Amino acid sequence: AQSVTQPDIHITVSEGASLELRCNYSYGATPYLFWYVQSPGQGLQLLLKYFSGDTLVQGIKGFEAEFKRSQSSFNLRKPSVHWSDAAEYFCAVGAVAAGNKLTFGGGTRVLVKP
Amino acid sequence: ETGVTQSPTHLIKTRGQQVTLRCSSQSGHNTVSWYQQALGQGPQFIFQYYREEENGRGNFPPRFSGLQFPNYSSELNVNALELDDSALYLCASSSGGAKNIQYFGAGTRLSVL
Repeated sequence: AQSVTQPDIHITVSEGASLELRCNYSYGATPYLFWYVQSPGQGLQLLLKYFSGDTLVQGIKGFEAEFKRSQSSFNLRKPSVHWSDAAEYFCAVGAVAAGNKLTFGGGTRVLVKP
Repeated sequence: ETGVTQSPTHLIKTRGQQVTLRCSSQSGHNTVSWYQQALGQGPQFIFQYYREEENGRGNFPPRFSGLQFPNYSSELNVNALELDDSALYLCASSSGGAKNIQYFGAGTRLSVL
């Protein structure tokens, strides 16, 4: 069975500082990996995805993520955080063998200090 | 704005009652997935419908059931509500296939008293 772990429940970062959110997955085959963001009271918005190829993927809002197979990780980064980046971030894994269902991590809540 | 709409936005029910949640998928999408997001947790997969047939189910009891209609909209039904069913229920639509992105609606917040 596939699983996703996001080790950090909360992260506080100053506006303008860099941000890195950790994600570790467990899956027997090649995973499809996603990062979603959820603002309060809202649904999930896709930030970026990895299917294959270049292990560094670019997403919306200035985010990027790097797939590292040897570490089973897919960490999300942003060089300079804006106050509007305060939200909850979810890493997810999906694959054909799992019937296209997404398995999500528990999420990381990001607080941005002025 | 994903084009996926869910109704109602909020709902309050009492234990033992039944509830129906609705989802309109994005134009051109034939697959709808439902997820339950308890407070402070990540979404959990309930089931998926593809062209009106159930196409995968998560670890949820049979009192969670669904339907998909010819226009690909969908309903989630929950019978015999329990307190632990209180959650945000998210609907996602896609074109089907693992490489097709799932687009989420804003969810229905269900409170069971």
